[in-house]
Amino acid sequence: GQNIDQPTEMTATEGAIVQINCTYQTSGFNGLFWYQQHAGEAPTFLSYNVLDGLEEKGRFSSFLSRSKGYSYLLLKELQMKDSASYLCAVRLLEYGNKLVFGAGTILRVKS
Amino acid sequence: DTGVSQDPRHKITKRGQNVTFRCDPISEHNRLYWYRQTLGQGPEFLTYFQNEAQLEKSRLLSDRFSAERPKGSFSTLEIQRTEQGDSAMYLCASSFGQGAGETQYFGPGTRLLVL
Repeated sequence: GQNIDQPTEMTATEGAIVQINCTYQTSGFNGLFWYQQHAGEAPTFLSYNVLDGLEEKGRFSSFLSRSKGYSYLLLKELQMKDSASYLCAVRLLEYGNKLVFGAGTILRVKS
Repeated sequence: DTGVSQDPRHKITKRGQNVTFRCDPISEHNRLYWYRQTLGQGPEFLTYFQNEAQLEKSRLLSDRFSAERPKGSFSTLEIQRTEQGDSAMYLCASSFGQGAGETQYFGPGTRLLVL
Protein backbone atom coordinates (compact mmCIF):
# COMPACT_ATOMS: atom_id res chain seq x y z
CA GLY A 1 0.00 0.00 0.00
CA GLN A 2 0.87 3.65 -0.19
CA ASN A 3 1.23 5.69 2.99
CA ILE A 4 1.87 9.41 3.31
CA ASP A 5 1.90 11.15 6.68
CA GLN A 6 1.87 14.84 7.52
CA PRO A 7 0.74 16.77 10.60
CA THR A 8 -2.93 17.63 10.68
CA GLU A 9 -2.62 21.24 11.78
CA MET A 10 0.03 23.86 12.49
CA THR A 11 -0.13 27.45 13.68
CA ALA A 12 2.52 30.11 13.06
CA THR A 13 2.91 33.85 13.37
CA GLU A 14 2.95 36.33 10.51
CA GLY A 15 6.53 37.02 9.42
CA ALA A 16 7.89 33.81 10.90
CA ILE A 17 9.23 30.63 9.28
CA VAL A 18 7.36 27.33 9.37
CA GLN A 19 8.39 23.83 8.30
CA ILE A 20 5.79 21.26 7.29
CA ASN A 21 7.06 17.69 7.33
CA CYS A 22 5.96 14.76 5.20
CA THR A 23 7.01 11.12 5.45
CA TYR A 24 6.08 8.51 2.88
CA GLN A 25 6.20 4.79 2.17
CA THR A 26 5.26 4.11 -1.42
CA SER A 27 6.18 1.88 -4.33
CA GLY A 28 7.63 3.24 -7.56
CA PHE A 29 8.61 6.69 -6.31
CA ASN A 30 8.99 9.24 -9.12
CA GLY A 31 8.98 12.59 -7.38
CA LEU A 32 7.39 14.42 -4.48
CA PHE A 33 5.09 17.38 -4.94
CA TRP A 34 3.72 20.10 -2.69
CA TYR A 35 0.42 21.78 -3.41
CA GLN A 36 -1.37 24.61 -1.62
CA GLN A 37 -5.14 24.45 -1.28
CA HIS A 38 -7.32 27.22 0.07
CA ALA A 39 -10.69 26.18 1.45
CA GLY A 40 -13.11 25.28 -1.32
CA GLU A 41 -10.56 25.78 -4.07
CA ALA A 42 -8.41 23.54 -6.24
CA PRO A 43 -4.86 22.57 -5.27
CA THR A 44 -2.23 24.84 -6.79
CA PHE A 45 1.26 23.60 -7.53
CA LEU A 46 4.07 24.90 -5.31
CA SER A 47 7.16 22.77 -5.87
CA TYR A 48 8.51 19.35 -6.58
CA ASN A 49 11.64 17.30 -5.85
CA VAL A 50 12.88 14.31 -7.75
CA LEU A 51 16.45 14.23 -6.46
CA ASP A 52 17.68 14.61 -2.89
CA GLY A 53 18.29 18.12 -1.69
CA LEU A 54 16.72 21.52 -1.41
CA GLU A 55 14.71 23.33 -4.08
CA GLU A 56 14.06 27.02 -3.51
CA LYS A 57 11.33 29.12 -5.11
CA GLY A 58 10.98 32.55 -3.57
CA ARG A 59 9.51 32.28 -0.08
CA PHE A 60 8.97 28.53 -0.49
CA SER A 61 11.60 25.78 -0.32
CA SER A 62 11.17 22.04 -0.41
CA PHE A 63 13.60 19.34 0.69
CA LEU A 64 13.74 15.65 -0.14
CA SER A 65 15.60 12.67 1.29
CA ARG A 66 14.67 9.58 -0.69
CA SER A 67 16.62 7.20 1.57
CA LYS A 68 14.63 8.40 4.57
CA GLY A 69 11.29 8.74 2.78
CA TYR A 70 11.10 12.30 4.05
CA SER A 71 10.35 15.75 2.71
CA TYR A 72 9.57 19.13 4.13
CA LEU A 73 8.13 22.39 2.87
CA LEU A 74 9.63 25.55 4.32
CA LEU A 75 7.66 28.78 4.20
CA LYS A 76 9.49 32.00 5.03
CA GLU A 77 8.19 35.46 5.86
CA LEU A 78 4.73 34.11 6.49
CA GLN A 79 1.78 36.15 5.33
CA MET A 80 -1.85 35.89 6.33
CA LYS A 81 -2.69 34.67 2.83
CA ASP A 82 -0.51 31.60 3.44
CA SER A 83 -3.25 30.23 5.68
CA ALA A 84 -4.29 27.15 3.74
CA SER A 85 -3.96 23.39 3.55
CA TYR A 86 -0.62 22.10 2.26
CA LEU A 87 -0.72 18.77 0.48
CA CYS A 88 2.23 16.45 0.11
CA ALA A 89 1.92 14.09 -2.85
CA VAL A 90 4.12 11.31 -4.20
CA ARG A 91 4.13 10.61 -7.92
CA LEU A 92 4.25 6.94 -8.80
CA LEU A 93 6.22 5.84 -11.84
CA GLU A 94 3.77 3.11 -12.52
CA TYR A 95 0.07 3.77 -12.93
CA GLY A 96 0.49 6.65 -15.33
CA ASN A 97 2.35 8.96 -12.99
CA LYS A 98 -0.65 9.31 -10.73
CA LEU A 99 -0.28 11.30 -7.52
CA VAL A 100 -0.91 9.81 -4.10
CA PHE A 101 -1.74 12.53 -1.60
CA GLY A 102 -1.43 12.91 2.12
CA ALA A 103 -4.42 14.25 4.04
CA GLY A 104 -2.92 17.73 4.10
CA THR A 105 -1.64 20.05 6.82
CA ILE A 106 -3.86 22.99 7.72
CA LEU A 107 -1.64 25.98 8.39
CA ARG A 108 -3.08 28.89 10.34
CA VAL A 109 -1.13 32.14 10.26
CA LYS A 110 -1.94 34.51 13.09
CA SER A 111 -1.01 38.17 13.40
CA ASP B 1 -2.87 29.16 -21.27
CA THR B 2 -6.34 29.44 -19.78
CA GLY B 3 -5.92 26.72 -17.17
CA VAL B 4 -8.03 23.67 -16.48
CA SER B 5 -11.77 24.36 -16.39
CA GLN B 6 -14.59 22.25 -14.99
CA ASP B 7 -18.33 22.45 -15.33
CA PRO B 8 -20.52 22.67 -13.35
CA ARG B 9 -18.83 24.06 -10.27
CA HIS B 10 -21.59 22.84 -8.00
CA LYS B 11 -24.20 20.11 -8.39
CA ILE B 12 -26.98 19.09 -6.03
CA THR B 13 -28.88 15.96 -6.93
CA LYS B 14 -31.18 13.43 -5.39
CA ARG B 15 -30.07 9.90 -4.64
CA GLY B 16 -30.57 7.64 -7.64
CA GLN B 17 -30.13 10.34 -10.27
CA ASN B 18 -27.37 10.39 -12.85
CA VAL B 19 -24.89 13.26 -13.08
CA THR B 20 -22.22 14.19 -15.61
CA PHE B 21 -19.24 16.47 -15.12
CA ARG B 22 -17.03 18.00 -17.77
CA CYS B 23 -13.34 18.87 -17.71
CA ASP B 24 -11.45 20.94 -20.26
CA PRO B 25 -7.69 20.52 -19.79
CA ILE B 26 -4.94 22.94 -20.64
CA SER B 27 -4.60 22.86 -24.40
CA GLU B 28 -1.99 20.44 -25.72
CA HIS B 29 -1.82 18.55 -22.42
CA ASN B 30 -1.95 14.90 -23.38
CA ARG B 31 -2.68 13.49 -19.93
CA LEU B 32 -5.86 13.99 -17.96
CA TYR B 33 -6.64 12.76 -14.45
CA TRP B 34 -9.75 12.60 -12.31
CA TYR B 35 -9.51 12.71 -8.52
CA ARG B 36 -12.09 12.77 -5.75
CA GLN B 37 -11.62 14.70 -2.52
CA THR B 38 -13.71 14.53 0.64
CA LEU B 39 -13.54 16.92 3.56
CA GLY B 40 -10.30 16.74 5.50
CA GLN B 41 -8.64 14.39 3.05
CA GLY B 42 -6.27 14.75 0.14
CA PRO B 43 -7.42 14.02 -3.41
CA GLU B 44 -7.75 10.32 -4.31
CA PHE B 45 -6.96 9.09 -7.80
CA LEU B 46 -9.90 7.81 -9.83
CA THR B 47 -8.76 7.43 -13.42
CA TYR B 48 -6.29 8.62 -16.02
CA PHE B 49 -6.23 9.22 -19.78
CA GLN B 50 -3.35 9.54 -22.14
CA ASN B 51 -4.83 11.24 -25.17
CA GLU B 52 -8.14 9.43 -25.72
CA ALA B 53 -7.08 6.14 -24.10
CA GLN B 54 -8.19 5.40 -20.54
CA LEU B 55 -5.12 3.63 -19.15
CA GLU B 56 -5.81 3.28 -15.45
CA LYS B 57 -8.85 3.02 -13.20
CA SER B 58 -8.84 3.00 -9.43
CA ARG B 59 -10.73 0.38 -7.47
CA LEU B 60 -12.63 3.36 -6.07
CA LEU B 61 -14.30 3.66 -9.46
CA SER B 62 -17.28 1.35 -9.16
CA ASP B 63 -19.41 0.19 -12.07
CA ARG B 64 -21.60 3.25 -11.58
CA PHE B 65 -18.75 5.52 -12.66
CA SER B 66 -17.64 5.98 -16.25
CA ALA B 67 -15.25 8.43 -17.83
CA GLU B 68 -14.53 9.30 -21.42
CA ARG B 69 -12.18 11.49 -23.38
CA PRO B 70 -13.48 10.96 -26.89
CA LYS B 71 -11.17 13.16 -28.93
CA GLY B 72 -8.27 13.42 -26.56
CA SER B 73 -9.32 16.89 -25.48
CA PHE B 74 -12.16 17.40 -22.95
CA SER B 75 -13.30 14.61 -20.66
CA THR B 76 -16.56 13.68 -18.97
CA LEU B 77 -17.15 11.79 -15.75
CA GLU B 78 -20.59 10.25 -15.29
CA ILE B 79 -21.99 8.83 -12.09
CA GLN B 80 -25.09 6.68 -12.44
CA ARG B 81 -27.59 6.01 -9.66
CA THR B 82 -25.86 8.41 -7.29
CA GLU B 83 -25.53 7.54 -3.62
CA GLN B 84 -24.99 9.82 -0.64
CA GLY B 85 -21.46 8.48 -0.35
CA ASP B 86 -20.68 10.00 -3.74
CA SER B 87 -20.86 13.49 -2.23
CA ALA B 88 -17.40 14.97 -2.69
CA MET B 89 -15.33 17.41 -4.70
CA TYR B 90 -14.40 15.95 -8.10
CA LEU B 91 -11.14 17.37 -9.38
CA CYS B 92 -9.69 17.18 -12.84
CA ALA B 93 -6.00 17.69 -13.55
CA SER B 94 -3.97 17.75 -16.74
CA SER B 95 -0.32 17.49 -17.62
CA PHE B 96 2.04 17.21 -20.54
CA GLY B 97 4.03 14.01 -20.17
CA GLN B 98 7.66 15.03 -20.32
CA GLY B 99 9.48 12.87 -17.80
CA ALA B 100 10.66 14.11 -14.44
CA GLY B 101 9.34 17.62 -14.98
CA GLU B 102 5.75 16.55 -15.54
CA THR B 103 3.43 18.54 -13.30
CA GLN B 104 -0.30 18.11 -12.88
CA TYR B 105 -2.39 21.27 -12.86
CA PHE B 106 -5.79 21.14 -11.25
CA GLY B 107 -9.10 22.63 -12.23
CA PRO B 108 -11.45 24.35 -9.75
CA GLY B 109 -13.41 21.16 -9.15
CA THR B 110 -17.07 20.19 -9.18
CA ARG B 111 -18.63 19.93 -5.75
CA LEU B 112 -21.33 17.25 -5.70
CA LEU B 113 -23.96 16.94 -3.00
CA VAL B 114 -26.27 13.93 -3.11
CA LEU B 115 -29.39 14.31 -0.99
